[in-house]
Amino acid sequence: AQSVSQHNHHVILSEAASLELGCNYSYGGTVNLFWYVQYPGQHLQLLLKYFSGDPLVKGIKGFEAEFIKSKFSFNLRKPSVQWSDTAEYFCAVTINQAGTALIFGKGTTLSVSS
Amino acid sequence: DGGITQSPKYLFRKEGQNVTLSCEQNLNHDAMYWYRQDPGQGLRLIYYSQIVNDFQKGDIAEGYSVSREKKESFPLTVTSAQKNPTAFYLCATADRGLINSPLHFGNGTRLTVT
Repeated sequence: AQSVSQHNHHVILSEAASLELGCNYSYGGTVNLFWYVQYPGQHLQLLLKYFSGDPLVKGIKGFEAEFIKSKFSFNLRKPSVQWSDTAEYFCAVTINQAGTALIFGKGTTLSVSS
Repeated sequence: DGGITQSPKYLFRKEGQNVTLSCEQNLNHDAMYWYRQDPGQGLRLIYYSQIVNDFQKGDIAEGYSVSREKKESFPLTVTSAQKNPTAFYLCATADRGLINSPLHFGNGTRLTVT
């Protein structure tokens, strides 16, 4: 069965610091990878996704993620965080190649102080 | 307004009782999903349905049941067999599969069983 591991449970940064959140998945075949974000009091929303092609994908609000197949990783990055980036971040992977459902990691809470 | 309606927002039940959580959508999406969100556990997939009258078990289906008699509705029953039912339950939908469209989430139902 697919699984997703997010290594950081809670990350605390100051504004303008750089961010990298780790994500590893278990499936050895073709994968579709996602990062979702949940701002306080809001629904989860899609941040970015990777299906194929360029392993460096760019999402909304200046976020990007790099797919490294050899490491089974899909880490999320942002060069300079803002207070408004305070949220919970979830890495997710499709359960099969057809993409019929998503398996989520346990989430990483990011707290940014101004 | 187009969207996903989960009702009620808060639900209280006595141990040993079955309870049904409602999820209705008017987005005309084919796929519907139920996730359970617990602190530190992320989102865990309970059941999903790609089309009417068809559904599949997710990672934690034991103690739950669903039906998909209409495209708009995907109710989740939490049975007395679910050992730890107190949780936040999220319903989600997707159009044309997750490769082409993101998950859309409802507001959730917080179930407390005592």
